[in-house]
Amino acid sequence: DADVTQTPRNRITKTGKRIMLECSQTKGHDRMYWYRQDPGLGLRLIYYSFDVKDINKGEISDGYSVSRQAQAKFSLSLESAIPNQTALYFCATSDGGGAETQYFGPGTRLLVL
Amino acid sequence: KNQVEQSPQSLIILEGKNCTLQCNYTVSPFSNLRWYKQDTGRGPVSLTIMTFSENTKSNGRYTATLDADTKQSSLHITASQLSDSASYICVVSGWGYIPTFGRGTSLIVHP
Repeated sequence: DADVTQTPRNRITKTGKRIMLECSQTKGHDRMYWYRQDPGLGLRLIYYSFDVKDINKGEISDGYSVSRQAQAKFSLSLESAIPNQTALYFCATSDGGGAETQYFGPGTRLLVL
Repeated sequence: KNQVEQSPQSLIILEGKNCTLQCNYTVSPFSNLRWYKQDTGRGPVSLTIMTFSENTKSNGRYTATLDADTKQSSLHITASQLSDSASYICVVSGWGYIPTFGRGTSLIVHP
């Protein structure tokens, strides 16, 4: 089984709808992250969490919210989806430390019409 | 503003040939630099991580170099294989964590 899983893998929604993307990990890592990737652009950090009670905004948090329900689960919500949130979304985990490796999920492809 | 610039944007080579990808950054202070490989439709996978004191690191046919003085890194791929076709992403982190991602170099290896 994959260490980092994301659901759904693909989603089409309409403008104004609320949508939640879920991430689960079995690596036992404390740190979890949400990124978005747009064609021709690098990954950009949306939110990150270093433990269950810790939530931090990343570079592009506007329009998004997150919930860290447990060490293994980190969900991303779009309260009112808009077309420019169409992108590929990745969840990642890491074990902390000065040079930690991030482990990425397979991604969720979101299309907002 | 912290920036990571990668070149070339895309590269096409023949199977068996070597190639070198470049990464220049302005992140300061510097903590570590990572190279990731991202296959189409998949999440990035780590290839190497280097801290300030390291100037070279290898992972099989992949060798990364780091010059912290000039703020440059390179990823050298030896004896390329068709499976090397992917996007290669340079990521630089400063103290306080938030990483800065480059836009990636798209590599295509032709038979």
